[in-house]
Amino acid sequence: EAQVTQNPRYLITVTGKKLTVTCSQNMNHEYMSWYRQDPGLGLRQIYYSMNVEVTDKGDVPEGYKVSRKEKRNFPLILESPSPNQTSLYFCASTTLTGTYGYTFGSGTRLTVV
Amino acid sequence: AQKVTQAQTEISVVEKEDVTLDCVYETRDTTYYLFWYKQPPSGELVFLIRRNSFDEQNEISGRYSWNFQKSTSSFNFTITASQVVDSAVYFCALSAYNTDKLIFGTGTRLQVFP
Repeated sequence: EAQVTQNPRYLITVTGKKLTVTCSQNMNHEYMSWYRQDPGLGLRQIYYSMNVEVTDKGDVPEGYKVSRKEKRNFPLILESPSPNQTSLYFCASTTLTGTYGYTFGSGTRLTVV
Repeated sequence: AQKVTQAQTEISVVEKEDVTLDCVYETRDTTYYLFWYKQPPSGELVFLIRRNSFDEQNEISGRYSWNFQKSTSSFNFTITASQVVDSAVYFCALSAYNTDKLIFGTGTRLQVFP
């Protein structure tokens, strides 16, 4: 089954403790992206990658890192999480041009206390 | 700059009513794509439709229909004979042809009561 797999689904952590949210897709998509969803703000892009070793900032990159060492994986790293990073996170992938829309992961609900 | 506006924050209807969710977009691109996604209470994002800017034909899929009007930069979504299972947050989104970035609206929460 074609899918984007995110882990974990839920995570509660403390301020300053480094964490990684994993994302993997099995569709051989070139383009992958991370979004965060906050009430009243919709989804906003954090980082994206157009292919292996090619990553770039989205609209809200502060406090996040990503890497793309393999085509299928695109982890999101929070080196020192803060409470304002409490959010619902989505990983997504698509073919280049994105004309067929994204395939989204199931989401990761992160709480930073 | 690209922007998507969903002015309706929340809509409540009673089952079997028809409901229209509004979406207005801004873009300077001549080629672009418009999307609707559904987010049920379980939280995942479900793709509903993609429409390119050269295709203004309205689309119907069962109880769902979409009205794309370039003249008013709108891409509205109508649910006919709504059901409780339609309760969700609905997002409208836009992407330009030469970019893979999706710009989302802030979403409309639809509650359908029995």
